[in-house]
Parts: sequence; structure tokens; C-alpha cells
Amino acid sequence: QSVLTQPPSVSAAPGQKVTISCSGNTSNIGNNYVSWYHVLPGTAPKLLIYDNNRRPSGTPDRFSASKSGTSATLDIIGLQTGDEADYYCLTWDNSLSAAVFGGGTKLTVL
Amino acid sequence: QIQLVQSGPEVKKPGASMKVSCKASGYDFNIYGIAWVRQAPGQGLEWMGYISGYNGHTNSAQMFLDRVTMTTDTSSSTAYMEMRSLRSDDTAVYYCARRSTGPGYTLDVWGQGTSVTVSS
Repeated sequence: QSVLTQPPSVSAAPGQKVTISCSGNTSNIGNNYVSWYHVLPGTAPKLLIYDNNRRPSGTPDRFSASKSGTSATLDIIGLQTGDEADYYCLTWDNSLSAAVFGGGTKLTVL
Repeated sequence: QIQLVQSGPEVKKPGASMKVSCKASGYDFNIYGIAWVRQAPGQGLEWMGYISGYNGHTNSAQMFLDRVTMTTDTSSSTAYMEMRSLRSDDTAVYYCARRSTGPGYTLDVWGQGTSVTVSS
């Protein structure tokens, strides 16, 4: 059971928008930056967003993220079938002195 | 280009040990640290620990403290993760990842993963 809570699954039609949430507390999200990753089946995770809302080169601007209080959100607009993947949030937890991942969210593009 | 290349798949018996390597190239190994992450079949990503490329300082998740040792060989820009007393629930894909500099905990470059199967 992760200390960061994500919905197990989300779905939307191609071209639509989807939002994935990541909920924590003051020990983790509330006082640390959040990064986001996607994992395509059979492949290594890939960084999507870092420092709450910054996109590395290579991440399309269809992906955006934000943080407010003890929660973070990843938004994907203009959904494509290639976006189907598992998405994870990651941050540092001051109480655990450890990095923690969210439980992951499976995105289905209907 | 910047990459991390991991050692090949392993099959181990319960109680055995394993050692996964992660060779870095394309950047200064001493500036960045390496984190280890695993993903069991059908499960999510699990952070195991981190080792500094600069001074070898480590920190680990509580559940791995007594069974995992992380080391580096700066002469070959290689990080290692050794796990002892393997159990069937250690069956997973193990990844190394570079922790980027900057304020957040960001893993910006990932190895291809090493599949480890623990079975009698």
C-alpha cells in the first residue's frame, strides 16, 4: 500500500482529456517536488514531468502537471492510443527518509 | 548518448544471492547518483534505494536495509545492487535509474531493466 494514492485506472476517448491524481500528505507531496513517469508494457519507465510541472525535452506539450497542497495532478490532452500506459508519481517522503511512488494508474484510451 | 546498461536476466533459487550491474555512459558518473527500483509482476514501481556517485553514500527503503547492498565502481562508471536471501516474492524486473541534479527527486535516465526470477 503506497503512501501516495493514485486511481487504479482512468479512461477516455481519443482526442479527449484525462486527469490523473496523486494524493499524499505534508511529509511527502506537501513539502517536496513531484515527478511523473509512464511505463509502456515491456519497457522501462520514462520521465514525463519533473519538479512538479516541468517537461523534459521529448515530452509533448499535451502533457502537463501541477501541484497544490498535498496533491499533484497530471493532465493529458488530445489523447492518443499510444498514450495507453501505466502512470506513476514519485516524490521524497521526509518521514520515511525514502522516495515513494504512487500505486500507479492504468490509462485506457477507448 | 547518455545511457544505463544493465546486466542480463537471472534465475535464482530461494536463499541465494544476486548482483545486478548498471554501467553508465555519456555523462560524468561522479556527479549523479543511481537509484534502484523494482517492479514485480502485475505490481507497481517500488523504490529500493540510492547511492551517490560522488561519495558512495547510500540510503535504502526500510524493507531492504538488511538484504540489499549498493556499491559503485567509479573507475568503470558502474553501479551494483546485491540482494541476499532471495525469496519468491523478489521475482521482479529491477531497474537502475540516474537521479538528476535539481531540487526534486527525479529519475531522468533509466536502464533497460534486469529480470530476476526466484524459483525452486
